[in-house]
Parts: sequence; structure tokens; C-alpha cells
Amino acid sequence: EIVLTQSPGTLSLSPGDRATVSCRASQSINNNYLAWYQQKPGQAPRLLIYGASRRAAGIPDRFSGRWSGTDFTLTISRLEPEDFAVFYCQHYDSSPSVTFGQGTKVEVK
Amino acid sequence: QVQLQESGPGLVKPSQTLSLTCTVSGGSISNGDFYWSWVRQTPGKGLEWIGFIFHRGTTYYSPSLKSRVSISIDTSKNQFSLKVSSVTAADTAMYYCARDPTVGHFDYWGQGILVTVS
Repeated sequence: EIVLTQSPGTLSLSPGDRATVSCRASQSINNNYLAWYQQKPGQAPRLLIYGASRRAAGIPDRFSGRWSGTDFTLTISRLEPEDFAVFYCQHYDSSPSVTFGQGTKVEVK
Repeated sequence: QVQLQESGPGLVKPSQTLSLTCTVSGGSISNGDFYWSWVRQTPGKGLEWIGFIFHRGTTYYSPSLKSRVSISIDTSKNQFSLKVSSVTAADTAMYYCARDPTVGHFDYWGQGILVTVS
């Protein structure tokens, strides 16, 4: 089973800062099946990025995703007040099986 | 706009069966372009995929839950359902239903329903 390890666990930043969240896969994966979600307290996760780098409908372009080998990165170029939340990566494989990272909290410094 | 809404008991006794239903509006569950999924979330284990069902009834389950889980679909009601048998306190979680456009991610989610096993 593929394990997704996110880092850091918590990121303390200010509005306007750049946020970088990492997700490392335990083995090589198909980047077409790597997604990122944002979850705010009391809400369901919201799809941000799919296919490692494709923004979902309605997602601002300050959110971007990229990858290199087994390392995937979600970047928020300039944090807006509404961006503070927990972010998860997620992978689908053809078993089929779905796994999530443990989450990264982006909090106000 | 597609909407998903979970419903069912919020409290289940240990060893009993947890049963939830997801009602889909704004689109037909018979559309073959989607998998209909269940995901749960606990403070300890985070987000955990339970399984999904295709409109014709094909199901796929998480290996860790497969022996206790069943997902079914009722296209006439535009609903799909989850059953988890022999529940314990470890099954206490927020349960979400979600739509997967058959490309391995979840683009629409229900608001979630908290189920406590006690």
C-alpha cells in the first residue's frame, strides 16, 4: 500500500506569505492520480488540485501544484485570510485503492 | 449544481450495523461517468477511504474494511448507501459521501454526518 507523508505538520504564516506543503509518496505513483484538498473546520474537504497540477473548477490561480519523482508540492503564492485551513494530498491507484496524507495545517502566525 | 446529502442515525450501539444513505441532487446517479464513494474522518486516523460503487452496482472496498462494509445503489431514488457491520468505538467518525469522476479524486462532497458508536 502506498503511504503519503505530508510535511510539515503545521505551517505558521501571515497573510500575504507564500505557503508550501509537501507530500511524499512511499513509492513511484502515477501523477495523474494525485489530488490536493483544503478543509476548514466544520466543512467537508474541497478539491483544489487534481492530476498533480490541474486546478479544479473555481480555484484561484494562487493555488498551484507540481511534482518531481515521488515528491508533490502544493503552493499558495500569497495567502489570503480565507486560505488558512488543513490541506491533504490524496492518491488513487488502480487496485483500486485510495489513500490520503495525514494533513498539514496552515495557521495564522 | 450537484449536491450530496448524508442521512442516517447519529448513534449506533457496539456490535450493531451502521447504515447511512447519500442522496444526490442536481444530477443523475445513473450517469456512468462517476463513482459514488464513502470516506470517513477521525481525529486519530484522518481521512480514510471506505469504498465506492459504480452505477451498475460494481463495488470496490478498502482492504482494511472489506470484510465489514457493503455499498449499494438505488438509481430510482438517486441514492447510494453504506453499511458497516459489527461496529466498535473505532468506527466513530464523520462519514462523508463524495463523487469521483472516475479519475481518482473527489470533486463533490456531502456535508458529512457524525456517527458515534456507544
